[in-house]
Amino acid sequence: ETGVTQSPTHLIKTRGQQVTLRCSSQSGHNTVSWYQQALGQGPQFIFQYYREEENGRGNFPPRFSGLQFPNYSSELNVNALELDDSALYLCASSVSLAGGAQFFGPGTRLTVL
Amino acid sequence: AQSVSQHNHHVILSEAASLELGCNYSYGGTVNLFWYVQYPGQHLQLLLKYFSGDPLVKGIKGFEAEFIKSKFSFNLRKPSVQWSDTAEYFCAVTMNDYKLSFGAGTTVTVRA
Repeated sequence: ETGVTQSPTHLIKTRGQQVTLRCSSQSGHNTVSWYQQALGQGPQFIFQYYREEENGRGNFPPRFSGLQFPNYSSELNVNALELDDSALYLCASSVSLAGGAQFFGPGTRLTVL
Repeated sequence: AQSVSQHNHHVILSEAASLELGCNYSYGGTVNLFWYVQYPGQHLQLLLKYFSGDPLVKGIKGFEAEFIKSKFSFNLRKPSVQWSDTAEYFCAVTMNDYKLSFGAGTTVTVRA
């Protein structure tokens, strides 16, 4: 069974640029959630995708957007990067929507200079 | 506001000592409760979960947690820690919805 994978591992961008992060869900999982983890804090929910549609969103501005593809993989896009966007971005997959256990990937470390 | 709080930021123990990490949430409705662990250099892993039924749940690696509804708590315990339990521990809750709300985490350092 393949776990959740994310790419790239690390990324350095400058303010104002755009970035795309990628996630492949665990085999058999159809729901993908994205989280932002700032240094020294717990992960914060960004949004969730189920059957290629956004199912819910946390307190993040519209410049954070995403996609889910028919194979359940997902992308997180961030436009107009700000310094505060520097964080570890985590992808988690689960079998269904209903608050079930989510399984996390290793994350992408984004640094904005 | 709905929130999850973890009582300790950093806990330092000796091997064989008992561990208890506190977690409280502020929500009066239906919850699902989780503890995740992040070992150094590794990704978040699920330790245990509670959805319903017996409020005492057992997880991997000898960990257990007890859900006390009246106290809005879900504390994590291990009777005897090992050096390999050094990690960051996160309590997380879904509050009648789909998103995980995490506590700030507790760093546990076990001294050999």
